[in-house]
Amino acid sequence: RKEVEQDPGPFNVPEGATVAFNCTYSNSASQSFFWYRQDCRKEPKLLMSVYSSGNEDGRFTAQLNRASQYISLLIRDSKLSDSATYLCVVKGIQGAQKLVFGQGTRLTINP
Amino acid sequence: NAGVTQTPKFQVLKTGQSMTLQCAQDMNHEYMSWYRQDPGMGLRLIHYSVGAGITDQGEVPNGYNVSRSTTEDFPLRLLSAAPSQTSVYFCASSRSGTASYEQYFGPGTRLTVT
Repeated sequence: RKEVEQDPGPFNVPEGATVAFNCTYSNSASQSFFWYRQDCRKEPKLLMSVYSSGNEDGRFTAQLNRASQYISLLIRDSKLSDSATYLCVVKGIQGAQKLVFGQGTRLTINP
Repeated sequence: NAGVTQTPKFQVLKTGQSMTLQCAQDMNHEYMSWYRQDPGMGLRLIHYSVGAGITDQGEVPNGYNVSRSTTEDFPLRLLSAAPSQTSVYFCASSRSGTASYEQYFGPGTRLTVT
């Protein structure tokens, strides 16, 4: 089983729709969680960190469910510019300075 | 600040050749790392460093060497290139000596081994 698993998609949704992705992780001792965004042929960039209490940044909401070992990303009122690949990232146990990336979920917003 | 820079942007190697991918950052970040990205595989960690003089292996270290003689530079050496090393390579850095903070990625090096 992969350490971090994501549905690769692609997800094709109309502009203005709400879309949600989940990501599961296998190591229950994982410490930190992130969502990164990667545009085609570009480098990944941090979208948001994911906190235990959940957090929101504008149209984006991230949630962490430790009991079920998954994190989620919700995008409301999607824009054409949201088209990208979204990477789920998990940091391992304390002292292990390694990040594990999911394979990414590809999202296309259609006009 | 230039952020994280990588050279070259593109490279074609023949099997058995060696080369060094360069990575530099001007943000005084302690943590630096190298990833490779292959279709359907996501980014996989090759090597990382929590500070000058300290390096450690990631998930896929075989065939690669690193060194960290300065805070700014973290070169990745391919010892004897193989077609399986055809990939996009990203260097990243973050503040402090941990992986707990935002990773800043360079623009990537697209490597083809024939």
